[in-house]
Amino acid sequence: DAKTTQPNSMESNEEEPVHLPCNHSTISGTDYIHWYRQLPSQGPEYVIHGLTSNVNNRMASLAIAEDRKSSTLILHRATLRDAAVYYCILAYAGNMLTFGGGTRLMVKP
Amino acid sequence: ETGVTQSPTHLIKTRGQQVTLRCSSQSGHNTVSWYQQALGQGPQFIFQYYREEENGRGNFPPRFSGLQFPNYSSELNVNALELDDSALYLCATVDWTEPYGYTFGSGTRLTVV
Repeated sequence: DAKTTQPNSMESNEEEPVHLPCNHSTISGTDYIHWYRQLPSQGPEYVIHGLTSNVNNRMASLAIAEDRKSSTLILHRATLRDAAVYYCILAYAGNMLTFGGGTRLMVKP
Repeated sequence: ETGVTQSPTHLIKTRGQQVTLRCSSQSGHNTVSWYQQALGQGPQFIFQYYREEENGRGNFPPRFSGLQFPNYSSELNVNALELDDSALYLCATVDWTEPYGYTFGSGTRLTVV
């Protein structure tokens, strides 16, 4: 499986934008880029996914590099409830998810 | 509330015992996956069931087994429990349509003593 590289942790101030990076230089043409997050004491939660084009939904935006070797999850205004571990995952549609260590996002009031 | 229910929420077992964890979903999706999450780590794929048949397995020994029932609920069974089996066990249903999302339950916290 193609691997992803994420920073171990990041800090943000409340109500400021957050850009969470992910490198995936070995991505294949059929791999979707998925983002999940895991709040304390909960299972992972779907955030967003994309293949080639940038994507927006009610939770976040996903910016995908033109060569698809990296991507960035954008939270437009971080809230305290966004404090979680964010996982960037490559997977063919519906295939099993291979989680790495993720990025622990801390949001300061 | 995600619509995926796991039971029990917490469980303590003794080394060598057997355990059964359960998962049910309101969605009716025909694919269910199980993951093991050790403390401080990301979830690790155990296996996946599609229409009552196992159709994918991670690097877990045969003492980890599962079942999926006609109503698509599922069980994870672990025999001969070891201390390292202590973890959060997550069940997820898979939506094969857009956005290809996994919906996870809140998990069962298993402690082996």
